[in-house]
Amino acid sequence: DTEVTQTPKHLVMGMTNKKSLKCEQHMGHRAMYWYKQKAKKPPELMFVYSYEKLSINESVPSRFSPECPNSSLLNLHLHALQPEDSALYLCASSQGGAIGGVYNEQFFGPGTRLTVL
Amino acid sequence: RKEVEQDPGPFNVPEGATVAFNCTYSNSASQSFFWYRQDCRKEPKLLMSVYSSGNEDGRFTAQLNRASQYISLLIRDSKLSDSATYLCVVNMDDGGSQGNLIFGKGTKLSVKP
Repeated sequence: DTEVTQTPKHLVMGMTNKKSLKCEQHMGHRAMYWYKQKAKKPPELMFVYSYEKLSINESVPSRFSPECPNSSLLNLHLHALQPEDSALYLCASSQGGAIGGVYNEQFFGPGTRLTVL
Repeated sequence: RKEVEQDPGPFNVPEGATVAFNCTYSNSASQSFFWYRQDCRKEPKLLMSVYSSGNEDGRFTAQLNRASQYISLLIRDSKLSDSATYLCVVNMDDGGSQGNLIFGKGTKLSVKP
C-alpha cells in the first residue's frame, strides 16, 4: 500500500463553521505534512509532524489546528476560516524527516479542495 | 530569502521532442533534490529523486551540479501524457532543525500531437 488518502475530497464551509480534514497512510511513514496550494502556485508547507510530534509550524494562523492521533493519521481542524483560506489542502508523508541530512521523498494524498464562503 | 527558481514556461513541444528543464537553488547546504510532476487539479507525484551522480529512469534523466547549484530534467521522446507542470523541489536544511522541502513554482509542459 503506497497510498495516502484524504477525506473529504471537497469541502464547502462558512466562516463560522468548524470542520476537520483527515489524512491517513499505512506505509509506516513517521513524518507527515500539511501543505496549502493556491491555484497556479506551488504547495506551501504548513505543518510537519515527526514521530507524532509537531516539529514545524510555518507561522500558520491559529484558525488551523493540526492533530496527529497516531502514526498513521493526521487531522487538520478548521475554525473561523476566511475566504482567502480557500485552496487545495494536501497531506503528504515520508519515511522520516531526514537521515544524515538527506531527506526522504514525500508522497502526497489527492488533497481536499476547500471553499470558504 | 532562500529559494528555488524555475523557468515557468510554458514549453510547447511536439510529440517525440526532447525537452530540458532547469532549476537553480540558493542554499548551498541542500542535500536532497527531487522532481515532481503535477497534473491540473491533482496532487504532486514524485517523478524522480536527483542524485549527485545523475540518474536516469527510462526517458527521464536528472542531473545535479552542486558547484553551480543547478538541477536539470531531460525528457526524451515526449509523449502527450507528459503534459503537466514539473516542480523542482529542494530541502532547505538550516543545519539545526528538521528542515523542510521548498517547491519551485513549476514549469508547465504541453506536448502537442
